[in-house]
Amino acid sequence: QMQLQESGPGLAKPSETLSLTCTVSGGSVSSSYWTWIRQPPGKGPEWIGYIFYNGATNFNPSLKSRVSMSIDTSKNQFSLNVSSVTAADTAFYYCARDWGAGCDHWGQGILVTVSS
Amino acid sequence: DIQMTQSPSSLSASVGDRVTITCRASQGIHHFLAWYQQKPGRVPKLLIYAASTLHSGVPSRFSGSGSGTDFTLIISSLQPDDVATYYCQTYNSVLRTFGQGTKVEVK
Repeated sequence: QMQLQESGPGLAKPSETLSLTCTVSGGSVSSSYWTWIRQPPGKGPEWIGYIFYNGATNFNPSLKSRVSMSIDTSKNQFSLNVSSVTAADTAFYYCARDWGAGCDHWGQGILVTVSS
Repeated sequence: DIQMTQSPSSLSASVGDRVTITCRASQGIHHFLAWYQQKPGRVPKLLIYAASTLHSGVPSRFSGSGSGTDFTLIISSLQPDDVATYYCQTYNSVLRTFGQGTKVEVK
């Protein structure tokens, strides 16, 4: 059974860069779309973007200028960077596998709080 | 960008009731629509993809229909375990967009 696990700091300072990593077990990142989704507490999910195994990416236009993603197939990991964060970036951040028809495997999520 | 609008934003129904949630896309998305269930404090779970195909392990009381711009999620007989917020998501293009959610409660 595929499992995903987010890791990274739970606290980021305003104007700094938020960095998270997702480790995949029970499957390979060498297929599918590897996705980041965030959800502010009490609100709905927001799709951030995805990265394909070859490094191709697509991002939410509203976040595109501040987001980057990378993938390391040797470690079966993919990563998210969100730059110039503000309090509005406080959210649960989920990594997920998008198999082309929705996200069928999700990590447990990590709460990232932006605060000085 | 495609916008997804769900209605209602919340509903309360009795156990055994038939529950209907709608999702409307701002432009045609063929059948490229997924539905998710998110129970309180839990991670979203994929329920339905391709507008009407049940994901593995999803109870048969859930069903989906629609194509183009208008879609429906039906719970044929509401159970206490179905208390959750339901989200639609399109994957029609290289981008993905969620609806704002429908919160389902049991009376």
